[in-house]
Amino acid sequence: AQSVTQPDIHITVSEGASLELRCNYSYGATPYLFWYVQSPGQGLQLLLKYFSGDTLVQGIKGFEAEFKRSQSSFNLRKPSVHWSDAAEYFCAVGPRGGYQKVTFGIGTKLQVIP
Amino acid sequence: DAGITQSPRYKITETGRQVTLMCHQTWSHSYMFWYRQDLGHGLRLIYYSAAADITDKGEVPDGYVVSRSKTENFPLTLESATRSQTSVYFCASSELSRGESTDTQYFGPGTRLTVL
Repeated sequence: AQSVTQPDIHITVSEGASLELRCNYSYGATPYLFWYVQSPGQGLQLLLKYFSGDTLVQGIKGFEAEFKRSQSSFNLRKPSVHWSDAAEYFCAVGPRGGYQKVTFGIGTKLQVIP
Repeated sequence: DAGITQSPRYKITETGRQVTLMCHQTWSHSYMFWYRQDLGHGLRLIYYSAAADITDKGEVPDGYVVSRSKTENFPLTLESATRSQTSVYFCASSELSRGESTDTQYFGPGTRLTVL
């Protein structure tokens, strides 16, 4: 069965510092991978997604993620965090041919301190 | 451009009562989904629909009923609410693009349901 692990439940970074949120997945074939962001009281918004091709994916709001098949990882990065990035971030994995079976991680809550 | 809306945003009910959560999207997306979000579990799929009059169970369907008579609406009904159904419920919609079956899901703002 497919699964997603986000090992960090809470992360605190200083504004202007770099950020890396970890995501490991378990899936038997090439997966579709997603990162979503949820601001307080809001629904989830897609940051970026990986289907195929270049393993370094650029997203909105200055985020990027790198797909590493050998490590079964899809870590999210941002070179310089802004206070407005404080939110909860969800990694998700889905199979080709059936996105009703997308599985979400439990989320990483990001706190940004001045 | 309203997008995807949910109502009510907040609901308090009592055990045993029937509750219906509404979801409406203006994009005419084919696919719609209901998730529940609970601490320590992330999002879990309750039901999804591939088109009007086509629905199927997700990971946690027990205690819930859905219908989809119109493309734009996808109501979720708790037939007899239980305390374990206290959660935040998200509706989402999606459309196929470029022949790929897995695509972006657009989420509503959520409904916070408390069952006393």
